[in-house]
Amino acid sequence: KQEVTQIPAALSVPEGENLVLNCSFTDSAIYNLQWFRQDPGKGLTSLLLIQSSQREQTSGRLNASLDKSSGRSTLYIAASQPGDSATYLCAVNAAGNKLTFGGGTRVLVKP
Amino acid sequence: GAGVSQSPRYKVAKRGQDVALRCDPISGHVSLFWYQQALGQGPEFLTYFQNEAQLDKSGLPSDRFFAERPEGSVSTLKIQRTQQEDSAVYLCASSNGPGHAFDQPQHFGDGTRLSIL
Repeated sequence: KQEVTQIPAALSVPEGENLVLNCSFTDSAIYNLQWFRQDPGKGLTSLLLIQSSQREQTSGRLNASLDKSSGRSTLYIAASQPGDSATYLCAVNAAGNKLTFGGGTRVLVKP
Repeated sequence: GAGVSQSPRYKVAKRGQDVALRCDPISGHVSLFWYQQALGQGPEFLTYFQNEAQLDKSGLPSDRFFAERPEGSVSTLKIQRTQQEDSAVYLCASSNGPGHAFDQPQHFGDGTRLSIL
């Protein structure tokens, strides 16, 4: 059974620091991995999708890497801003028809 | 529409009542998914439709949970004889392609927050 773990569960940084969020998964046979942002009381906003054949994806200040063999993905957010405060979730698509989520990392960027 | 729309946004029901939650996916999206999110946790898969066919319902917690998508667009998640442990946020997602499409992200609605008293 696929299990996804995110460490740390919570993270607080001063504005301007780079954020590093970690995600690990137990079964490397995945179709893709997706990073999401969730604001309180809201649904999930898709940030980046990395296909199983890719090693990284970039969008603006966001960069996500994927190491399938070791079952790890890392989301980097450069030069963090208070507006980056949210919960970040990673999810793997392994069964072909559903996402398995980690528990999320709650991020607070202090001005 | 522009995004996935779910209604109602909030639902309060007494234990034992039946509830129905609606999801309008992004127009033309083939795949539709339902997830359940408990407070402070990541979402957990409930069920998956490809067009009108329910291809996977392995995540439904009991036979009190039922989902349908009769015309391959709007979907309804129904919970019968609700119990307190059903309290959660129910999220709907859609994607433009079959579930195994490796390059298609899932797009989520804002969810329905269900509270069972």
